[in-house]
Amino acid sequence: SQELEQSPQSLIVQEGKNLTINCTSSKTLYGLYWYKQKYGEGLIFLMMLQKGGEEKSHEKITAKLDEKKQQSSLHITASQPSHAGIYLCGAEGAQKLVFGQGTRLTINP
Amino acid sequence: EPEVTQTPSHQVTQMGQEVILRCVPISNHLYFYWYRQILGQKVEFLVSFYNNEISEKSEIFDDQFSVERPDGSNFTLKIRSTKLEDSAMYFCAISEQGRGYEQYFGPGTRLTVT
Repeated sequence: SQELEQSPQSLIVQEGKNLTINCTSSKTLYGLYWYKQKYGEGLIFLMMLQKGGEEKSHEKITAKLDEKKQQSSLHITASQPSHAGIYLCGAEGAQKLVFGQGTRLTINP
Repeated sequence: EPEVTQTPSHQVTQMGQEVILRCVPISNHLYFYWYRQILGQKVEFLVSFYNNEISEKSEIFDDQFSVERPDGSNFTLKIRSTKLEDSAMYFCAISEQGRGYEQYFGPGTRLTVT
């Protein structure tokens, strides 16, 4: 079965700094999803990547999928308090998503 | 982004009782999913549903669980006889066309079994 490993597990950065979260898959990815979750709340869809080398951006968040389709990264530029939360990557399987354990992001003012 | 509502937001029940969790997608999406997240653990897939049939289910989704879409809009997850280990956040998700399309999640129902 497919496993996703996220790193780091938690991250504390100062407001305004850039940061990167990584997601590594045990198998080739068909599709890779990024979500944001606030503690105890639902998952907010951020981006979906499907093609090797693909890169997508939304506001200050950029996600990339490597050429081999086994690793993805999420990069936040000039972090803000609103970026705080738990970031989850999810791998697409047959009619389901398999998630990583999440990366908890804290932004210090 | 399509809206998904879930009711109730929080349910407390005694062990052995039946619970029904509801999902109401405000859209015409065709694919429905249930996931759960035990406190401090990963989000886990339970079941996917399309055209009034289960299309995929995990080993967690045993005979205690069932899903249906009784009136063409609400999508329900029933747990027949709850156990302490069923305590978790349960998320409904929808997708327009299934694989290769975005999955949008509801806010979740927190189930507490005592």
